[in-house]
Amino acid sequence: SAVISQKPSRDICQRGTSLTIQCQVDSQVTMMFWYRQQPGQSLTLIATANQGSEATYESGFVIDKFPISRPNLTFSTLTVSNMSPEDSSIYLCSVRIGGGQETQYFGPGTRLLVL
Amino acid sequence: GNSVTQMEGPVTLSEEAFLTINCTYTATGYPSLFWYVQYPGEGLQLLLKATKADDKGSNKGFEATYRKETTSFHLEKGSVQVSDSAVYFCALSGSGGGADGLTFGKGTHLIIQP
Repeated sequence: SAVISQKPSRDICQRGTSLTIQCQVDSQVTMMFWYRQQPGQSLTLIATANQGSEATYESGFVIDKFPISRPNLTFSTLTVSNMSPEDSSIYLCSVRIGGGQETQYFGPGTRLLVL
Repeated sequence: GNSVTQMEGPVTLSEEAFLTINCTYTATGYPSLFWYVQYPGEGLQLLLKATKADDKGSNKGFEATYRKETTSFHLEKGSVQVSDSAVYFCALSGSGGGADGLTFGKGTHLIIQP
């Protein structure tokens, strides 16, 4: 498995501002992902964070709104830009260790409230 | 694209009752199947998984069998405890968009009463 930490754990932001969420893993991993869990809903994949290249976004998510960085094999950031109340969600980082392992391990999440 | 359908709750049971949470899926290829659990106030944890047809995943008394013929991965437990109260998510590998992310069901809120 992997130990994953996220910062901040929660935040309250004003509309129109941006927030950057950090994800740190205790070991090198092949794949890192970002998910969103809206209140009372399931998890939806936002994008795959690719090391050294642009992230791969799912339908309905764009780079201008959710820019992602992954400078190395243990760290990634997700920015929620120009926030609106509809962006209030839990944002989760997950990793796949590799070596044929398909299991994904999740971070504790960042709880975001936009006023 | 890929999709996961699971029974929506809340599901309320008495302690020591038998539990079944249904999960069916639609997928191209041969996905791996997962059950994740989210306890109150905690993050998402892997409960069990199965990577090919007829595989049975098991953990903490929970079991699920990968049934390709019925495209199902139902979660079962013979005798539930109050501590099993949580939200359970069925998921499969592959997002339908060509990436390696997971596709999740909507989650089933399980409430166990003493």
